Amino acid sequence: DAGVTQSPTHLIKTRGQHVTLRCSPISGHKSVSWYQQVLGQGPQFIFQYYEKEERGRGNFPDRFSARQFPNYSSELNVNALLLGDSALYLCASSLGPGQVYGYTFGSGTRLTVV
Amino acid sequence: KNEVEQSPQNLTAQEGEFITINCSYSVGISALHWLQQHPGGGIVSLFMLSSGKKKHGRLIATINIQEKHSSLHITASHPRDSAVYICAVRETSGSRLTFGEGTQLTVNP
Repeated sequence: DAGVTQSPTHLIKTRGQHVTLRCSPISGHKSVSWYQQVLGQGPQFIFQYYEKEERGRGNFPDRFSARQFPNYSSELNVNALLLGDSALYLCASSLGPGQVYGYTFGSGTRLTVV
Repeated sequence: KNEVEQSPQNLTAQEGEFITINCSYSVGISALHWLQQHPGGGIVSLFMLSSGKKKHGRLIATINIQEKHSSLHITASHPRDSAVYICAVRETSGSRLTFGEGTQLTVNP
């Protein structure tokens, strides 16, 4: 069984551009969460989706948006990129949003904004 | 002050040593996770705890809910254990994870 798949693995964008990151959860997992990890820091929560609905949002500007598709895969979109958006973006999937479920993480997408 | 604090930030050990990484948190939680992150970024979930102690191979994780403290122990450490170890908590009030800043462990042969 494939793990959590994220694409692309690496990406370089210019300030002001838009980026779309993709995540495919483990088969059977219906919840996807997105995290941003700036170099040298722990990950920060961006969004959680469950059954195609947003279940949580972290303290990120409106330039960040996400959605979940009927097959439970998810996209994270970032508009008007800033240098400070350079980070590792991690996706985690779980069976559901409830507290009893563990998480499986993807390998991340490393975004560099120049 | 961060809601999740880890110590130490950096740890260097010799192969075979017993290692302890600590995590303290200041919020009510429903579960605590210990994660391992290798260079390149991929994160592996090691443990999910809500009480007591869990063991997997050479890894042991404990949690004291009353003291809001957890420890990750590695027995007979090996260079392949070198990684960043991250503590993350799931608050009772929500479904998100709040992460510590990680402990960089280097085990020398």
